[in-house]
Amino acid sequence: EDKVVQSPLSLVVHEGDTVTLNCSYEVTNFRSLLWYKQEKKAPTFLFMLTSSGIEKKSGRLSSILDKKELFSILNITATQTGDSAVYLCAHSNFGNEKLTFGTGTRLTIIP
Amino acid sequence: GAGVSQSPSNKVTEKGKDVELRCDPISGHTALYWYRQSLGQGLEFLIYFQGNSAPDKSGLPSDRFSAERTGGSVSTLTIQRTQQEDSAVYLCASSLSRGVGTGELFFGEGSRLTVL
Repeated sequence: EDKVVQSPLSLVVHEGDTVTLNCSYEVTNFRSLLWYKQEKKAPTFLFMLTSSGIEKKSGRLSSILDKKELFSILNITATQTGDSAVYLCAHSNFGNEKLTFGTGTRLTIIP
Repeated sequence: GAGVSQSPSNKVTEKGKDVELRCDPISGHTALYWYRQSLGQGLEFLIYFQGNSAPDKSGLPSDRFSAERTGGSVSTLTIQRTQQEDSAVYLCASSLSRGVGTGELFFGEGSRLTVL
């Protein structure tokens, strides 16, 4: 069965710190690995990764995928209180349109 | 509206009653998804609609759950004879064409269902 495991479950850091969130997965027919940010209710899209070793970057956020070791990391540098949210990792397979989500990492930034 | 709209935002019902949750996707988005998020859990896939194709219902947890999408736009998720374990936030998402292929699903704010 396809599975996504995120760690840590929660993380509390001070503003300005750098954080690394982890996502490991087991899939049958991998297509992509995705990261979403969920602040209150609606998750919002951050990145989609399909190739190993190619970093995706958006401002202070970046992400990379390792298809050999089956994991991805999401880095946030110079964290701000607005980064406080649940970060969700998901994967998709070829052959269907489902996303399989992990349970998320709850990130709290202390001013 | 500009985003995915869901109603009601909150619904409290008694065990055994039927509920209907509505999703109005972004105009022009042909793909529509329903997910469920229980407390402390990740998002659980329920059903996927794409244009006029037969929906992928493989995530519906029991035959008490059904969904339809009329005219390729608005979707309704119906839960019959609700049980306490149905309590969750039901999230709808839409995307252009093959949304999962681009990764970007646009989610609504969800409908929080509480079954007493």
